[in-house]
Amino acid sequence: DADVTQTPRNRITKTGKRIMLECSQTKGHDRMYWYRQDPGLGLRLIYYSFDVKDINKGEISDGYSVSRQAQAKFSLSLESAIPNQTALYFCATRAESNYGYTFGSGTRLTVV
Amino acid sequence: GENVEQHPSTLSVQEGDSAVIKCTYSDSASNYFPWYKQELGKRPQLIIDIRSNVGEKKDQRIAVTLNKTAKHFSLHITETQPEDSAVYFCAASRNTGKLIFGQGTTLQVKP
Repeated sequence: DADVTQTPRNRITKTGKRIMLECSQTKGHDRMYWYRQDPGLGLRLIYYSFDVKDINKGEISDGYSVSRQAQAKFSLSLESAIPNQTALYFCATRAESNYGYTFGSGTRLTVV
Repeated sequence: GENVEQHPSTLSVQEGDSAVIKCTYSDSASNYFPWYKQELGKRPQLIIDIRSNVGEKKDQRIAVTLNKTAKHFSLHITETQPEDSAVYFCAASRNTGKLIFGQGTTLQVKP
């Protein structure tokens, strides 16, 4: 399903480096979300956006920033990566009128 | 803040048996409760959902029940098969807002 595309799929980076994870979608959805997945902790919300001018912090936004460049693009940045940001990151989209999420394929990030 | 607790964290059943996963939510304004299945190495996929105006919903071998008073909802899988083995997540939200997920349940179905 190429409706929600995340790049890169895998990335290894060093502590202190800046890294950007990208998400683009062709579904025409207004609402976009970034989650991280850690074993035993489920999916935790980092940031979300209801449109280009509306950005909101989630439950674990510290150490992260986002940019909604267009309706179809929502990027997540780690300004200075640290090892405990090693996780699987998912982007998701949702239409204003539809309750279901569509997830991207995920980005596996390792900070060494 | 908003919170969703999910139990058990792991569940092992014999093929053909039933499996039940339970979740509790804290935000009484939540009105949408989906369940996602995540197979190894793949993205979560929506398998069933329920809204607060309904107490139960079924789709073939899976069903979800909701108790708004107790703020509990549960996933029931009957006649389990090996391909049901996966991680299952419950979630809750207000309308089409952000989803808050439970911690996940790893279901293993033994042949």
